[in-house]
Amino acid sequence: AQSVTQLDSQVPVFEEAPVELRCNYSSSVSVYLFWYVQYPNQGLQLLLKYLSGSTLVKGINGFEAEFNKSQTSFHLRKPSVHISDTAEYFCAVTLNTGFQKLVFGTGTRLLVSP
Amino acid sequence: EAGVAQSPRYKIIEKRQSVAFWCNPISGHATLYWYQQILGQGPKLLIQFQNNGVVDDSQLPKDRFSAERLKGVDSTLKIQPAKLEDSAVYLCASSLEAAPGEAFFGQGTRLTVV
Repeated sequence: AQSVTQLDSQVPVFEEAPVELRCNYSSSVSVYLFWYVQYPNQGLQLLLKYLSGSTLVKGINGFEAEFNKSQTSFHLRKPSVHISDTAEYFCAVTLNTGFQKLVFGTGTRLLVSP
Repeated sequence: EAGVAQSPRYKIIEKRQSVAFWCNPISGHATLYWYQQILGQGPKLLIQFQNNGVVDDSQLPKDRFSAERLKGVDSTLKIQPAKLEDSAVYLCASSLEAAPGEAFFGQGTRLTVV
C-alpha cells in the first residue's frame, strides 16, 4: 500500500528566505504525487501535482516541487516566502493504476515570521 | 462552479449519541472521499467511493461508522454511537474520474463529542 512521510512537523522561516518542505513516499508501483495547502480556518486546496513527464512541477503562489524516483521524494520548495504562506502543507499520494485511495501525510506547519 | 458542500459546519453531541454528516460533491465528480482530521494531524481516509461503489474503507470503524452514496451523487457519513475520540473535523472531497487525486475539499464539519 502507498504511504507518505513528512519528516518535519514544523518549519519556522523568516520572510523572503527560501524554504523546503520534505516528503518521501513508499510504493512498489508508479504513483501520482500532490501537495495540498490548508490556510488557517480554511479547507484544503491543491497546490501542485506530479502525474508524469517533467520531474519539476510548478504550482500556485510560486511553489514548485521535484519528483525524485531514485530517492522516492517529492520535496516542496519556494525561493522566497511571504507571511501569507503561513499554513499547513500536506503531501499526498495515489497509485496510477485503476481506482486507488488518496493517502495524506501528517503535514508540515510552515511558520513565516517578519 | 459550485464547490463541495458539507453540512452541518459544526456539531456538538454527547458520547453515545448518533450524528450524521452530509456531502454534495461537485457535479460530475465520480470520486468522493470522506476524511477524518484530528487536530494537529493529517487527514485520515475513512472511505472512498467511485460512483456508488466503495474503493477503500479499510480505516472506517465499521462497528460505529457507516457511509453511503446513493445514486452516485451526494453522500452521508454516520456515527452511532459516538465516542470522545471521534472529535475531529470530517472532510468531504471529490474529484473527476479522469483526474485521480486532484481532490476538491469542502469546508468540513467540526464534531465535538462531550
